Amino acid sequence: DSGVTQTPKHLITATGQRVTLRCSPRSGDLSVYWYQQSLDQGLQFLIQYYNGEERAKGNILERFSAQQFPDLHSELNLSSLELGDSALYFCASSPELGNTEAFFGQGTRLTVV
Amino acid sequence: DQQVKQNSPSLSVQEGRISILNCDYTNSMFDYFLWYKKYPAEGPTFLISISSIKDKNEDGRFTVFLNKSAKHLSLHIVPSQPGDSAVYFCAASGATGRRALTFGSGTRLQVQP
Repeated sequence: DSGVTQTPKHLITATGQRVTLRCSPRSGDLSVYWYQQSLDQGLQFLIQYYNGEERAKGNILERFSAQQFPDLHSELNLSSLELGDSALYFCASSPELGNTEAFFGQGTRLTVV
Repeated sequence: DQQVKQNSPSLSVQEGRISILNCDYTNSMFDYFLWYKKYPAEGPTFLISISSIKDKNEDGRFTVFLNKSAKHLSLHIVPSQPGDSAVYFCAASGATGRRALTFGSGTRLQVQP
């Protein structure tokens, strides 16, 4: 158990809908990262938050947004969903800005039908 | 353009033998490299890392070698055990690990009993 909790584990939704993925980092970790893993691909960095503030952006679509709350949990919002958004979405956390040895959650498997 | 490449999608070795997983990168700004192991239905788990100031780092059965001039790193597992069967991801970061991780597409290792 990495200490990073992601909910839900599975999500099936229709095209055009909006979903919210939730991540609770390890206790004390200030940095949260979101990654997307499409079928048989590596993990693609989406966005990083540190202590409530956005710190870095990767290849995140404009239809996607995220935030980190005062209690340090984070949510990833995906809207106007398309079939191609079906993927595993991972959250990771680390104590500081650096993500060396970041700890990953089990992921949320999103299926868009 | 893939900045971190794992050209072997799969590798099969006999128990007790050496497993060698390879990774190439193109971005000269990368200065910190990590290997993650992933079992099905779980998030990636940190395995071992190496800074660009070193060319080797060892942790038990796992050794990572870095060849900066060739922009190549490898993970050696000796001896390989059936429990090592998983997908292995190579990842790289800049600014001594303060940048988000860039992942390869993974190599599926199968260790045959």
